Amino acid sequence: KQEVTQIPAALSVPEGENLVLNCSFTDSAIYNLQWFRQDPGKGLTSLLLIQSSQREQTSGRLNASLDKSSGRSTLYIAASQPGDSATYLCAVKGGSEKLVFGKGTKLTVNP
Amino acid sequence: GAVVSQHPSRVICKSGTSVKIECRSLDFQATTMFWYRQFPKQSLMLMATSNEGSKATYEQGVEKDKFLINHASLTLSTLTVTSAHPEDSSFYICSAYTGVSTEQYFGPGTRLTVT
Repeated sequence: KQEVTQIPAALSVPEGENLVLNCSFTDSAIYNLQWFRQDPGKGLTSLLLIQSSQREQTSGRLNASLDKSSGRSTLYIAASQPGDSATYLCAVKGGSEKLVFGKGTKLTVNP
Repeated sequence: GAVVSQHPSRVICKSGTSVKIECRSLDFQATTMFWYRQFPKQSLMLMATSNEGSKATYEQGVEKDKFLINHASLTLSTLTVTSAHPEDSSFYICSAYTGVSTEQYFGPGTRLTVT
């Protein structure tokens, strides 16, 4: 059974700092890995999707990497801003089309 | 981009009543829709997978008679929480999958509070 773990559970940083969020998964047989953002009481916003054959994806200040063999992914946020404050969720998709989510990392960027 | 809507966004109901939540794909046809539940400070847990025109597949531990799912068209799936109890209070989120792209598109969620 696939399990997804995200570390840390919460992170507080000053504005402008670069930061890394970590995601690990137990079964390396995945089709893709996706990073989402969730604001309080809201749905999910897809940030980046990495196919199993890819090593990384970039969008603006965000860069996500994938090391499938070791079961790890990182989300790098450059020059963080207060507007980046949210919970970041990592999810992996296996052969059943189901997404398995981690519990998320709650990020607070202080002005 | 693909847009998924949910209605209502918030609902409060009394214990013992039933509540219906709608999930619509607005600009694409969804061959498959997924229903998730999220408790406070917890991750999203998949409840069931529904394919248009067929019965939903429920995850282990999810009562199919309590959480009725109907996927009558390629753009609409509904989740009905029957005989709701306070412990059913949660955030329910749907997602839709085209079967073409590998990406799932998520709705904004429905906050259910059972008093």
